[in-house]
Amino acid sequence: AQRVTQPEKLLSVFKGAPVELKCNYSYSGSPELFWYVQYSRQRLQLLLRHISRESIKGFTADLNKGETSFHLKKPFAQEEDSAMYYCALNQAGTALIFGKGTTLSVSS
Amino acid sequence: SAVISQKPSRDICQRGTSLTIQCQVDSQVTMMFWYRQQPGQSLTLIATANQGSEATYESGFVIDKFPISRPNLTFSTLTVSNMSPEDSSIYLCSVQDSVKNIQYFGAGTRLSVL
Repeated sequence: AQRVTQPEKLLSVFKGAPVELKCNYSYSGSPELFWYVQYSRQRLQLLLRHISRESIKGFTADLNKGETSFHLKKPFAQEEDSAMYYCALNQAGTALIFGKGTTLSVSS
Repeated sequence: SAVISQKPSRDICQRGTSLTIQCQVDSQVTMMFWYRQQPGQSLTLIATANQGSEATYESGFVIDKFPISRPNLTFSTLTVSNMSPEDSSIYLCSVQDSVKNIQYFGAGTRLSVL
């Protein structure tokens, strides 16, 4: 079955602490993995994708095919990182399949 | 990136009525999708709407309940028919840049059914 699992519904950290939002997937084939973010009162937007292998707003994510994971990491969390984060996947030409999302709360 | 306008942004409707949600894109796109996001839940795909063909519905969603139109490459509508309180949700329009394989989302329509 095609599935994206985000085990944490809520992750609370202090400003400056490291952050890791977990994402595991189950998919037959070679999917592309994404992280989307939704800030308060804003629309869902792309944060990063595995094929880009880039850092966006200090966040990185590495695709581990052996562990079927695509965890999102940031070494030092900022208050403005507080948002809902969704892990998603697809194959080109098909709709994204989303995980349930993780709310990241960064406090000072 | 594609700019998506979705109308209405929110509505409160009576049980048994229908609501049509509009999605306008600022560029021509082949693939459009409609999602539902129930309170506290993730995004669930309702259907894929490609211009020139019938919409393809996901398991649990049927055309009689969620008819979709896709008259051209920049516009689509989703109708929520014969509404019940269980239809209270956020409905999202999304388009895919088929070259980059990136999906863009509208701001959503927050529907409350009384």
